[in-house]
Amino acid sequence: DGGITQSPKYLFRKEGQNVTLSCEQNLNHDAMYWYRQDPGQGLRLIYYSQIVNDFQKGDIAEGYSVSREKKESFPLTVTSAQKNPTAFYLCASSIGTGLGGELFFGEGSRLTVL
Amino acid sequence: AQKITQTQPGMFVQEKEAVTLDCTYDTSDQSYGLFWYKQPSSGEMIFLIYQGSYDEQNATEGRYSLNFQKARKSANLVISASQLGDSAMYFCAMREGGTNAGKSTFGDGTTLTVKP
Repeated sequence: DGGITQSPKYLFRKEGQNVTLSCEQNLNHDAMYWYRQDPGQGLRLIYYSQIVNDFQKGDIAEGYSVSREKKESFPLTVTSAQKNPTAFYLCASSIGTGLGGELFFGEGSRLTVL
Repeated sequence: AQKITQTQPGMFVQEKEAVTLDCTYDTSDQSYGLFWYKQPSSGEMIFLIYQGSYDEQNATEGRYSLNFQKARKSANLVISASQLGDSAMYFCAMREGGTNAGKSTFGDGTTLTVKP
């Protein structure tokens, strides 16, 4: 079945460590996104990529990095520079960047800093 | 900058009744897309309905309809005949065009509880 796979589902990190969250899609979508969700709040955009080998900062990019070397993959690295990384992270994709393209989401990765 | 406002942190509705979840938006763009997503307790986001800024008719998808009032910049979600499985968090979102093409902004959500 086509969809978005995020891994790991749960991740624990010690302060000062970098961690990478994986996001893979087999929907043949051009655009991919990373969102952060804090408890009881909406989604905030971290990074997005409209096409392979290109990506743009979202509203809260500080302390995060991404790459888009393949169409199917858009990994997110949470660096030690991110001061409050404990959150729920959602990866999404869309066919393109047209106004009518809904987002398809993965099941999310929950990161906890110990 | 685009902004989405959902003023109802929590809503209750009796099973089989209709409920309206409010959403207002702020943008200077003429072209934009409006979406509603559902997030059950499992965390996954599910697309419900879409309305384009130039669409004259309100969008409908099964029990979901979007009450679009462009002049008031509102895009309320109406769920008819509520079911227990509708209990979830609901998010309104807006998608940009132009140089920020594809970028979506979300509201803070409304938690809907359906009572038996």
